[in-house]
Amino acid sequence: SYELTQPSSVSVSPGQTARITCSGDVLAKRYARWLQQKAGQAPVVVIHKDSERPSGIPERFSGSSSGTTVTLTISGAQVDDEAEYYCYSAADNSVLFGGGTRLTVL
Amino acid sequence: QVQLVESGGGLVKPGGSLRLSCAVSGFTFSDYYMSWIRQAPGKGLEWVSYISSSSIYTNYTDSVRGRFTISRDNAKNSLYLHMDSLRAEDTAVYYCARGAEDIDYWGQGALVTVSS
Repeated sequence: SYELTQPSSVSVSPGQTARITCSGDVLAKRYARWLQQKAGQAPVVVIHKDSERPSGIPERFSGSSSGTTVTLTISGAQVDDEAEYYCYSAADNSVLFGGGTRLTVL
Repeated sequence: QVQLVESGGGLVKPGGSLRLSCAVSGFTFSDYYMSWIRQAPGKGLEWVSYISSSSIYTNYTDSVRGRFTISRDNAKNSLYLHMDSLRAEDTAVYYCARGAEDIDYWGQGALVTVSS
């Protein structure tokens, strides 16, 4: 069965670039999406179809894909970007989520 | 605007049943696949089930197949999840979401606690 692997945590200082990776064989043939979940809140989509940003999401959020790895990049990270970030994709008639990455900005 | 509002969560004993509902507005419900995703306390997201726009196709994660049933009523703009034979490990916040492979909107979630 497929899996999506993310680092458990990433830390940056305000204004720095944060990069969160997500790896899995399924990503070579299916799109990835990224979710942001702040404490006590429902998830919000920040990137879909590997690199497309939904309306209302700040331009500092971007996505890229290479082979079996996708990357969420937050350029000029802000304290307000502190959250859990999840990648997800479709595979074998189901939906896979990565384990989540805790982003700390301080 | 798009809204998804879950209801029906609560405390239930192991082996019991519960039905979650999700009332949607702000879009043409009958055009979209819909999903349920859950999150156990302090844990990550886990896909539970999805249903096609006309209810022809459904699918479930292995751990709930045979115990949970997803359904929808397009006339009432509502999505449901009927949960039977509940176990402690089903304790989670259950989110209703628009889409299946490309989920774009999420509800605020309903807490289901399975405990004696």
